[in-house]
Amino acid sequence: GDSVTQMEGPVTLSEEAFLTINCTYTATGYPSLFWYVQYPGEGLQLLLKATKADDKGSNKGFEATYRKETTSFHLEKGSVQVSDSAVYFCALSGSSFNTDKLIFGTGTRLQVFP
Amino acid sequence: GAVVSQHPSWVICKSGTSVKIECRSLDFQATTMFWYRQFPKQSLMLMATSNEGSKATYEQGVEKDKFLINHASLTLSTLTVTSAHPEDSSFYICSALRGGTDTQYFGPGTRLTVL
Repeated sequence: GDSVTQMEGPVTLSEEAFLTINCTYTATGYPSLFWYVQYPGEGLQLLLKATKADDKGSNKGFEATYRKETTSFHLEKGSVQVSDSAVYFCALSGSSFNTDKLIFGTGTRLQVFP
Repeated sequence: GAVVSQHPSWVICKSGTSVKIECRSLDFQATTMFWYRQFPKQSLMLMATSNEGSKATYEQGVEKDKFLINHASLTLSTLTVTSAHPEDSSFYICSALRGGTDTQYFGPGTRLTVL
């Protein structure tokens, strides 16, 4: 079945460091890919998305490129801030058997220290 | 745009009582809404898919008689936890699928504590 695999956290960085959170997926068909962020005590917010191969989603300095050949959608940011501390979820939807349902990865906690 | 609200944001109840959680899409219509459950430091588990005007579709292992879902209008879905027990304590999150897109927008969540 469809699945999303994320790197385990926590990821601990100093402010202004470069961030990469790895995400790979398994799906039939051509899913859309998403990154959601969850700040402490809150629900999920859509961070960025990509709907087809080679698309790059970007928002708030974060980027991720839909790589069909490596089935990956890694999240990157050039310079993290303390306010980026949160849990990041990679997800997919829209594969052949999975229409609108979102399949989430386990989440990666990011902790940024000043 | 694409704001989803949940009410209440937190609730504490006694074992055996029922609790209703509302999920509203404030600025768009949502024919499909989803209900998730999240345990501490874990990912979201899809409980059910709620379609306006029809019965909800429950995921395997989710008791439909315990978690009653009603999608009464294009902007409102409710989840009722019936005869709640301490093991039902969790963070419940809803999302709404914006029409014509594949993007779900999430509510802020409701923390349920059953004593």
